[in-house]
Amino acid sequence: GIQVEQSPPDLILQEGANSTLRCNFSDSVNNLQWFHQNPWGQLINLFYIPSGTKQNGRLSATTVATERYSLLYISSSQTTDSGVYFCAVEGVDSSYKLIFGSGTRLLVRP
Amino acid sequence: KAGVTQTPRYLIKTRGQQVTLSCSPISGHRSVSWYQQTPGQGLQFLFEYFSETQRNKGNFPGRFSGRQFSNSRSEMNVSTLELGDSALYLCASSTWTGWAEQFFGPGTRLTVL
Repeated sequence: GIQVEQSPPDLILQEGANSTLRCNFSDSVNNLQWFHQNPWGQLINLFYIPSGTKQNGRLSATTVATERYSLLYISSSQTTDSGVYFCAVEGVDSSYKLIFGSGTRLLVRP
Repeated sequence: KAGVTQTPRYLIKTRGQQVTLSCSPISGHRSVSWYQQTPGQGLQFLFEYFSETQRNKGNFPGRFSGRQFSNSRSEMNVSTLELGDSALYLCASSTWTGWAEQFFGPGTRLTVL
């Protein structure tokens, strides 16, 4: 089945710094989403981005489907950005289910 | 519009018991999926329902089952609980299925003693 790899696994930033999280996937996808998991466990939708570029405030994401990767950019990081970021894909051969990466754990220090 | 709701939020059971978790999707959403999250295995897909039909199932034993009702609400059941079933169980809903954005509920944290 489709494999999803996220890097880096852990990231520590000083408040105000910028960062880039990467998601590589092994096969063609119809759906790609980025989530932020809050301390209580809920997955918060950041982007639905099977291809192209989107921006939402300090966050932006780019998916290059032909090269099988997606990037999540966080600018001017804040302590509230801390948490785990997940990339999840729905492969063309695995409809109706999301395959998650192992996540990037981000800690933003004041 | 209200988000995905899950009940109960926390649950403690003992080995051998069974448990039923409930999920109410966002109004108008007809697809409901279930996921298990553990520290060792991460987030794994359990099953997906659309119009009361299971359309995909993950690699879990038959002790894990689910169903969807005509109002799109869904339940999942785990029978003969094992210690390894301790996990966060997340439900997600989407407007239809196949390539649609999925929205997750707050989860049910199950502890098996």
